[in-house]
Amino acid sequence: KAGVTQTPRYLIKTRGQQVTLSCSPISGHRSVSWYQQTPGQGLQFLFEYFSETQRNKGNFPGRFSGRQFSNSRSEMNVSTLELGDSALYLCASSFGTSGGMETQYFGPGTRLLVL
Amino acid sequence: AQTVTQSQPEMSVQEAETVTLSCTYDTSESDYYLFWYKQPPSRQMILVIRQEAYKQQNATENRFSVNFQKAAKSFSLKISDSQLGDAAMYFCAYGGATNKLIFGTGTLLAVQP
Repeated sequence: KAGVTQTPRYLIKTRGQQVTLSCSPISGHRSVSWYQQTPGQGLQFLFEYFSETQRNKGNFPGRFSGRQFSNSRSEMNVSTLELGDSALYLCASSFGTSGGMETQYFGPGTRLLVL
Repeated sequence: AQTVTQSQPEMSVQEAETVTLSCTYDTSESDYYLFWYKQPPSRQMILVIRQEAYKQQNATENRFSVNFQKAAKSFSLKISDSQLGDAAMYFCAYGGATNKLIFGTGTLLAVQP
């Protein structure tokens, strides 16, 4: 069974630009969660999507948004990039059907560098 | 709010020896899950082991086992017969009522040949 895939793996952007990251979950998984990992703040939860709806949200500004498609693939968008947005963005998938905590399986991440 | 604390930023172990990584957490929820994830230099987060809070029996996965002390809110990971491939950053994580993980700051484990 294929794992979680994320594209692109690396990105370099400049301040003020916007970026879109993509995540394809494990087949059969309908929940996709996004996390940001930085040396200073560690791993922080961004949001979770299930059945094309945002089900949970972390404490990030509105510049961070996401969506999920009918095939469960998810995209994350960051607008008006700031230097502090440089991070590893991790996507994780789970079945999503319980409504509560489930074991999440992670993709390889997208490393974003903002110059 | 729930918190996860890993007080050991770095640990070192000799190959074939046993090492224990510590984790404490704080929560007011009665039903929750605890996880250990491993992040090698490739940065891929890999699930090591999972523990349901309602289960008294400690989880075990091959050379990896946990010591779950619910009253003390402690969740340590024991790695037996350490191998070079075990070298990585290890994160303890909490999952409660929602499908959202709260991570500790991680412990960097070095394995000496």
